[in-house]
Amino acid sequence: NAGVTQTPKFQVLKTGQSMTLQCAQDMNHNSMYWYRQDPGMGLRLIYYSASEGTTDKGEVPNGYNVSRLNKREFSLRLESAAPSQTSVYFCASSEAAAGRHEQYFGPGTRLTVT
Amino acid sequence: QKEVEQNSGPLSVPEGAIASLNCTYSDRGSQSFFWYRQYSGKSPELIMSIYSNGDKEDGRFTAQLNKASQYVSLLIRDSQPSDSATYLCAVNSFTSGTYKYIFGTGTRLKVLA
Repeated sequence: NAGVTQTPKFQVLKTGQSMTLQCAQDMNHNSMYWYRQDPGMGLRLIYYSASEGTTDKGEVPNGYNVSRLNKREFSLRLESAAPSQTSVYFCASSEAAAGRHEQYFGPGTRLTVT
Repeated sequence: QKEVEQNSGPLSVPEGAIASLNCTYSDRGSQSFFWYRQYSGKSPELIMSIYSNGDKEDGRFTAQLNKASQYVSLLIRDSQPSDSATYLCAVNSFTSGTYKYIFGTGTRLKVLA
């Protein structure tokens, strides 16, 4: 039982390049989330998917797109990377069952845009 | 703007002491409350969840919730150097058909050997 996995762990991009961050969970959770974490800013929600087939914008969606490929997988795409997108990206999942809303995080992707 | 506030610290306590971490939140509709531990360079790890007023104990950790005061706390008894980390408070509310989580910026805890 791996929980939430993310690939890659590290990535360096040049301004204007594109990439996709992959996330998968094996806990059969309905909801999945993408966050970025910057020093002094805490965790900020980029996009989320309440259930398979749905996605919605979070607090900081500009410059990103997402795909909920199936119940297990939720990817985040940067179409044209900018230095402001240098950050640590975390994927998370949760099961919104009655009374249980714990959210679990993947190991993160450390992205640098030069 | 829904907010979760934490003192950034660092909070320094001697080994064996009780560490007390505090969090306030602005949304009275918040339903679930969580504490995460995050070591430097690692991802947040869930250590406590609490859903109703009062205390919840798990080993050396006790979470306390007071919805009337919009206040959540985490007590760590017999603090160890391995407890040195940043502790994130998170609250959850049901809005726009889904559960959303708001995180504080964290309190850095240093346990001195």
